[in-house]
Amino acid sequence: TQTVSQSDAHVTVFEGDSVELRCNYSYGGSIYLSWYIQHHGHGLQFLLKYYSGNPVVQGVNGFEAEFSKSDSSFHLRKASVHWSDSAVYFCAVSDTGGLSGKLTFGEGTQVTVIS
Amino acid sequence: ETAVFQTPNYHVTQVGNEVSFNCKQTLGHDTMYWYKQDSKKLLKIMFSYNNKQLIVNETVPRRFSPQSSDKAHLNLRIKSVEPEDSAVYLCASSYPGNTGQLYFGEGSKLTVL
Repeated sequence: TQTVSQSDAHVTVFEGDSVELRCNYSYGGSIYLSWYIQHHGHGLQFLLKYYSGNPVVQGVNGFEAEFSKSDSSFHLRKASVHWSDSAVYFCAVSDTGGLSGKLTFGEGTQVTVIS
Repeated sequence: ETAVFQTPNYHVTQVGNEVSFNCKQTLGHDTMYWYKQDSKKLLKIMFSYNNKQLIVNETVPRRFSPQSSDKAHLNLRIKSVEPEDSAVYLCASSYPGNTGQLYFGEGSKLTVL
């Protein structure tokens, strides 16, 4: 059984500052790890994913994430946030095997950017 | 650019009524999904279809039934809605197999009075 945990329910950050959103997972097999963003009243949009190779992956709009097998983590970072980054961020895991690509999501982290 | 289209975006109804949500994707994907997002933003998979064949059927009440006419369409019918069905229903699609990446629609918000 895959589990994903996002320890911070809500993060407030000043515009221009950096932010890190934490994600920890539990699964013994081969997986994809990914991050999604959801602006209020909209669906989810893909930011980035990791499967293998370089543990630091780059995504859209300046986001990057770092995979750590030893910590079972996949934290998301952005060096300088913009007001438009205010949204809910979801970490997700999916099993690489099987026909279904269903994702198991974390609880989400609400990010509020203030000026 | 939206390529997964859901209708309606909002629906308000009374307990016991029937509701249908429609989803169409123009990405040429083989796999489609329905997720339920509750008031706390928690996301749970409900169903997954691959090329019109049901491949994931999570534990959901029997009043929920997916319907797929072709690989580009996946509808969700709820017979006799209950108050706990109030949620946002999100449709998604992906390439065949598992790529770790889903493409979501804007969601259909259901309010049951």
